[in-house]
Amino acid sequence: IAGITQAPTSQILAAGRRMTLRCTQDMRHNAMYWYRQDLGLGLRLIHYSNTAGTTGKGEVPDGYSVSRANTDDFPLTLASAVPSQTSVYFCASSERPTTGELFFGEGSRLTVL
Amino acid sequence: RKEVEQDPGPFNVPEGATVAFNCTYSNSASQSFFWYRQDCRKEPKLLMSVYSSSNEDGRFTAQLNRASQYISLLIRDSKLSDSATYLCVVPQRAGNNRKLIWGLGTSLAVNP
Repeated sequence: IAGITQAPTSQILAAGRRMTLRCTQDMRHNAMYWYRQDLGLGLRLIHYSNTAGTTGKGEVPDGYSVSRANTDDFPLTLASAVPSQTSVYFCASSERPTTGELFFGEGSRLTVL
Repeated sequence: RKEVEQDPGPFNVPEGATVAFNCTYSNSASQSFFWYRQDCRKEPKLLMSVYSSSNEDGRFTAQLNRASQYISLLIRDSKLSDSATYLCVVPQRAGNNRKLIWGLGTSLAVNP
């Protein structure tokens, strides 16, 4: 069982380029999340989805968009990357949106130059 | 006061030692609490949860003190493999949703 798969694991990107980070889960979890983790700032929620077909904004949504067309996939798109979006991005899922029991992917390390 | 606060450490302890970290929270309405472990350059992984006064799982015990609004994580007989950052998580109600408030983590280094 793979759990949550993220791709790519690492990417260097020129500023202004569009980038989509992929996230797929095989646990049939209802809720999915995108976090970024930066030194000294901890994990910050970018966007979330409580169930397929719905999405919501987290605490740092600007510059990012998500979609949840089905239960398994939750891609994160940077429409026009900026250097401040250099970070480690984690996708996570949970069986239901009200729980604190999250399962994380291995992360995508993004560098925007 | 921050919503969730942790001592960043690092805590340096010898193998076999007992070590405890605290996590303070500001929202007294929170009902459940979680500890995650994160190894260097890896994803966070759920370690344990605590809903009542304490929860024990092998060498690990999570304790909850509602009156003083903190939770603690106790690790007995520390192993080298326990070296990691430990994140405290407090779910809080936000309208019709719940949001997770993450601490910045406490770093533990277990030395031979």
